[in-house]
Amino acid sequence: AQSVAQPEDQVNVAEGNPLTVKCTYSVSGNPYLFWYVQYPNRGLQFLLKYITGDNLVKGSYGFEAEFNKSQTSFHLKKPSALVSDSALYFCAVRDTGGGNKLTFGTGTQLKVEL
Amino acid sequence: EAGVTQFPSHSVIEKGQTVTLRCDPISGHDNLYWYRRVMGKEIKFLLHFVKESKQDESGMPNNRFLAERTGGTYSTLKVQPAELEDSGVYFCASSQDRTYGYTFGSGTRLTVV
Repeated sequence: AQSVAQPEDQVNVAEGNPLTVKCTYSVSGNPYLFWYVQYPNRGLQFLLKYITGDNLVKGSYGFEAEFNKSQTSFHLKKPSALVSDSALYFCAVRDTGGGNKLTFGTGTQLKVEL
Repeated sequence: EAGVTQFPSHSVIEKGQTVTLRCDPISGHDNLYWYRRVMGKEIKFLLHFVKESKQDESGMPNNRFLAERTGGTYSTLKVQPAELEDSGVYFCASSQDRTYGYTFGSGTRLTVV
């Protein structure tokens, strides 16, 4: 069975600084990986996905993620954080059994301060 | 296009009562999913409908949970009787086909007291 780990419950970063939210995964076969964000009182919003191809994936709001097969990681990054990026971020991997269900990590709360 | 709509947005009920959550997927989306996040933990899959049929209900926690999707349109998730551990945020999502991502609703926050 697949699994996702987000080792940090919270990440604090100053506005303007680069941010990284970590994610590692375990899956048999080729991974389909996703990042979602949840702003306060909002639903989950899709940020980006990795299916195949370039290891650096660009997504919404200036975010990008780097797929690293040898380290089984898919860290979310942004070169310059904004206060408005403060939210709850979830990493997910798609089921490889032919269905389309996602296995999520526990989430990382990102706090960007002035 | 309208997004995935869930209601109520919040529900507070007493242990032993019944609650029904509703999800209206994006029009034309055959695939509908229910997920749940218990406080501080990961978001967990509950079940997947393709039109009105249950494709995968492996994540349903027990028989107190009943999901339906009449006519392949909106879906309901009933919890009867509710227990304290059922508290959490219930998310619904839909997709047009078995593509690699789908659209989530804003969730229903259920609190059982």
